Amino acid sequence: AQKITQTQPGMFVQEKEAVTLDCTYDTSDPSYGLFWYKQPSSGEMIFLIYQGSYDQQNATEGRYSLNFQKARKSANLVISASQLGDSAMYFCAMREANDYKLSFGAGTTVTVRA
Amino acid sequence: NAGVMQNPRHLVRRRGQEARLRCSPMKGHSHVYWYRQLPEEGLKFMVYLQKENIIDESGMPKERFSAEFPKEGPSILRIQQVVRGDSAAYFCASSFQKFRDRGNTEAFFGQGTRLTVV
Repeated sequence: AQKITQTQPGMFVQEKEAVTLDCTYDTSDPSYGLFWYKQPSSGEMIFLIYQGSYDQQNATEGRYSLNFQKARKSANLVISASQLGDSAMYFCAMREANDYKLSFGAGTTVTVRA
Repeated sequence: NAGVMQNPRHLVRRRGQEARLRCSPMKGHSHVYWYRQLPEEGLKFMVYLQKENIIDESGMPKERFSAEFPKEGPSILRIQQVVRGDSAAYFCASSFQKFRDRGNTEAFFGQGTRLTVV
């Protein structure tokens, strides 16, 4: 069964605007962590932000914030004030407690337009 | 994260040849994880190793693929008799200890090795 679902294969956003990338997950484990990674055209995987299932507040890292809705099992990434350098593939991932495997979604391609 | 070093960055092999992919974890890290990314897909777990031990290889194809992490030197992912379907990006990640749910739990990935089988 798919643990991570990213339903948006591609998105366009205007420079300086905000964009929300959807991610839903499936787990019966009450303890888990959610991650977002950025993969630019050069191919490396860049860690962006982490949210633990017990964290009370939504995670934020600079222009990145995670809209964590536990009851809905969603962990959407919000990128504010988009920049041309934000054009990349974005992956949502989850790791369940006491596990080491990350389960990745299929990714969303973001293209920022000038 | 630049601390995890993978080489080569790009590798071209003819069908039937062997491919060796190397991963040097961050300094002090003794846990290594290999993932494969097929074109247009997310990463899929392959194998988890600690020094001199394979902990979990449930994501590895049963044949032609093997991995090791010796006491000295990098972790090696070996693919024998490569086929076109092995063309993919192979990433490794490392950690100081087994991942925990809380705290600083980001996974540090290398830059990947892009294998092309011709």
